[in-house]
Amino acid sequence: EIVMTQSPATLSVSPGERATLSCRASQSISSNLAWYQQKPGQTPRLLIYDASTRATGIPARFSGSGSETEFTLIISSLQSEDFAVYYCQHYNNWPLTFGGGTTVEIK
Amino acid sequence: QVQLVESGGGVVQPGRSLRLSCAGSGFPFNSYGMHWVRQAPGKGLEWVAMIWYDGSNKYYADSVKGRFTISRDDSKNTLYLQMNTLRVEDTAVYYCARGSYGPTYFDYWGQGIQVTVSS
Repeated sequence: EIVMTQSPATLSVSPGERATLSCRASQSISSNLAWYQQKPGQTPRLLIYDASTRATGIPARFSGSGSETEFTLIISSLQSEDFAVYYCQHYNNWPLTFGGGTTVEIK
Repeated sequence: QVQLVESGGGVVQPGRSLRLSCAGSGFPFNSYGMHWVRQAPGKGLEWVAMIWYDGSNKYYADSVKGRFTISRDDSKNTLYLQMNTLRVEDTAVYYCARGSYGPTYFDYWGQGIQVTVSS
């Protein structure tokens, strides 16, 4: 099983600032990585797939990068609606696994 | 628009069974692989099971293998999760999610349904 590790667990950021979230895979997953956003009481929403492709309707301030074992999600200028929990997920093989999540909170 | 609506959740005693359903609409249901993903209270996301678009292949997380069965009825555009021998640690919100061929990401999610296993 591939273990996905996200850091930091919590990120305190002021509105308008840049947020950088990391995700590490325990073995190479090529670019088979997705990012999701989940707000309290809501369903997860797909942000990024194939490590760097934005899903339909996702603003350009969200960008993903990386390959193999190291991946990054950048939110270039945080808006109030971006404060949430972010999960990475690999889909390189079975079983599919998620990272533990990064909470982006208001500083 | 794509919609996924789960039903069948509730409170059940340990060792008992429950069947979840997920009705899909707004897309060709029989062309997509479908998944169940769960989230325990205050915890992260855990993938549970997947069934191919034609039902020919099924995959399970080790934590549910041998106890849960995923199935689909394309005539009803419905996905199922039969959960047997439930444990307290199966308590979670269960989401159905749309995938694609093989291991993949989830582009649409249902609103989730609560399953509570408690004596």
